[in-house]
Amino acid sequence: AQTVTQSQPEMSVQEAETVTLSCTYDTSESNYYLFWYKQPPSRQMILVIRQEAYKQQNATENRFSVNFQKAAKSFSLKISDSQLGDTAMYFCAFMKPSGSARQLTFGSGTQLTVLP
Amino acid sequence: NAGVTQTPKFQVLKTGQSMTLQCAQDMNHEYMSWYRQDPGMGLRLIHYSVGAGITDQGEVPNGYNVSRSTTEDFPLRLLSAAPSQTSVYFCASSYYGTGDNEQFFGPGTRLTVL
Repeated sequence: AQTVTQSQPEMSVQEAETVTLSCTYDTSESNYYLFWYKQPPSRQMILVIRQEAYKQQNATENRFSVNFQKAAKSFSLKISDSQLGDTAMYFCAFMKPSGSARQLTFGSGTQLTVLP
Repeated sequence: NAGVTQTPKFQVLKTGQSMTLQCAQDMNHEYMSWYRQDPGMGLRLIHYSVGAGITDQGEVPNGYNVSRSTTEDFPLRLLSAAPSQTSVYFCASSYYGTGDNEQFFGPGTRLTVL
């Protein structure tokens, strides 16, 4: 079974600064997908960024980028030029590439607060 | 497209009552699933379905039933509610197959069992 660990329950950052959220995971799979989801106070789950384990290049989506270290089983999220709207709970998640269960295994989340 | 819809948004039950959480999607997704979110624990999979007539258990299935009679709908039933089922429930859907098929989430249902 896969496990996902987010060791930072809460973080804060000043507006316009950069912040990095940590995530580690444990799996015996060789290929898989990793995701970061954002959950603002509205409760809606929003996909921020995704990474396939076979791709060496780190994914980037505008101000969001990841540092994927496959050997270390680490998948951190960097948010540049933080904005007040980035305040949310962030979840790291793991998914197998195939099989009957397309389930996401989530970490416990990091509450990020962007300070004005 | 409405995406994934869930009703109700909020519900309060007494211990022992039954109810059904509704989930519907209009994207013709084969895969649908139910998660529960508890403080400090992220989201955990309750049940999932890979198509009409096919369901299976996830990580925390006890106390919940599901059925999938159509592609669009995937209701979650609580037969006899318990305080331990107080949680926020999310329905999600995606295409089914290999690849990183993005899962789309509904807005969630906050359930309180007294």
